[in-house]
Amino acid sequence: GNSVTQMEGPVTLSEEAFLTINCTYTATGYPSLFWYVQYPGEGLQLLLKATKADDKGSNKGFEATYRKETTSFHLEKGSVQVSDSAVYFCALRGAQKLVFGQGTRLTINP
Amino acid sequence: GAVVSQHPSRVICKSGTSVKIECRSLDFQATTMFWYRQFPKQSLMLMATSNEGSKATYEQGVEKDKFLINHASLTLSTLTVTSAHPEDSSFYICSARMREDMNTEAFFGQGTRLTVV
Repeated sequence: GNSVTQMEGPVTLSEEAFLTINCTYTATGYPSLFWYVQYPGEGLQLLLKATKADDKGSNKGFEATYRKETTSFHLEKGSVQVSDSAVYFCALRGAQKLVFGQGTRLTINP
Repeated sequence: GAVVSQHPSRVICKSGTSVKIECRSLDFQATTMFWYRQFPKQSLMLMATSNEGSKATYEQGVEKDKFLINHASLTLSTLTVTSAHPEDSSFYICSARMREDMNTEAFFGQGTRLTVV
């Protein structure tokens, strides 16, 4: 079945550092791919998405490119801020439902 | 985006008792709601999908008599954990979608941490 594997955390970086959180997937067909973010005490929010190969999703300085050849959807940001501290979930949606990775906790220190 | 409110955010209950968790869509009508469970350092696992006015569809391995789901209105779904046991301790998250079109974005509640002692 469909599955998502993402980089194990926690990840701790200094402010203005470059961020990469790896995400790879296994799926039949052509899934849509997502990154969700969960800030402390809040629900999951959609951060960005890509619906077909080579699409790039972007939002709030974050980017991820749908790479079919490597079955990956890595999340990147060039310069992180303290306010980016949160848990990040990679997910895919195939024919029916969302399948999530295990989440990566990111902490940004000033 | 649309707001989904989940209540309570934390609950501690005694083994053998039942606990009800509410999921409300505050500014839209949710034809479909989803309930997930998350164990520490693991993925969100879909437990069940509920459509307003009809019985929930449970995922394989989820006990429908233990996890009772009611979606009685377009803005409220409830999950009741019956006869809770310590192994039911987990983080439960709901999400809601405006229309039955599965390509519509789903909005998530903030989750409920259940601890059974």
